Amino acid sequence: DVKVTQSSRYLVKRTGEKVFLECVQDMDHENMFWYRQDPGLGLRLIYFSYDVKMKEKGDIPEGYSVSREKKERFSLILESASTNQTSMYLCASSSWAGAITEAFFGQGTRLTVV
Amino acid sequence: AQKITQTQPGMFVQEKEAVTLDCTYDTSDPSYGLFWYKQPSSGEMIFLIYQGSYDQQNATEGRYSLNFQKARKSANLVISASQLGDSAMYFCAMRGVNDYKLSFGAGTTVTVRA
Repeated sequence: DVKVTQSSRYLVKRTGEKVFLECVQDMDHENMFWYRQDPGLGLRLIYFSYDVKMKEKGDIPEGYSVSREKKERFSLILESASTNQTSMYLCASSSWAGAITEAFFGQGTRLTVV
Repeated sequence: AQKITQTQPGMFVQEKEAVTLDCTYDTSDPSYGLFWYKQPSSGEMIFLIYQGSYDQQNATEGRYSLNFQKARKSANLVISASQLGDSAMYFCAMRGVNDYKLSFGAGTTVTVRA
């Protein structure tokens, strides 16, 4: 069974903390993504990576950074967490095989910043 | 850039009836793919169905079918014979052939009544 695994389902962090959200996929996919989901806004792309050590900003990158040191792992970093980063975070991966294919998602991390 | 519009925030449907979820899109990509995902209350995103822009036939997967009208730029999802387990949020998404990422609509919450 193909899998995208996020390290935590629920996280509570304090304002100003540095927060790491980890994502691992076992499908040997080239592309990995971090989305943020908020009610009424759907999923918005924060960052994506199409290869190891490569990253591109998505639609809402402010306040976030990412790291991809290995093909299977993509980390999202909140340098200094703020209450407006309280949200559901979803990691996804997809292949880049010359055809348009679906993305596979992790189970999500619900982050609360207090 | 792609834009996805889902105009129905929430819908109620009676068990065993069919329901249609609306999705319109805008893109400048000559070739693209359209996707529908289901997100139950547990949070994971489940891929349901895919339609390629050059596919001649509308996609079907079990009780799910996609009513694709390219000239109108619409890709509505039809769920036939609704079941209680279909209660979830449903997202329309698209990806252009020259794009890495999936762009999502705001989602539609479906509640199936017994």
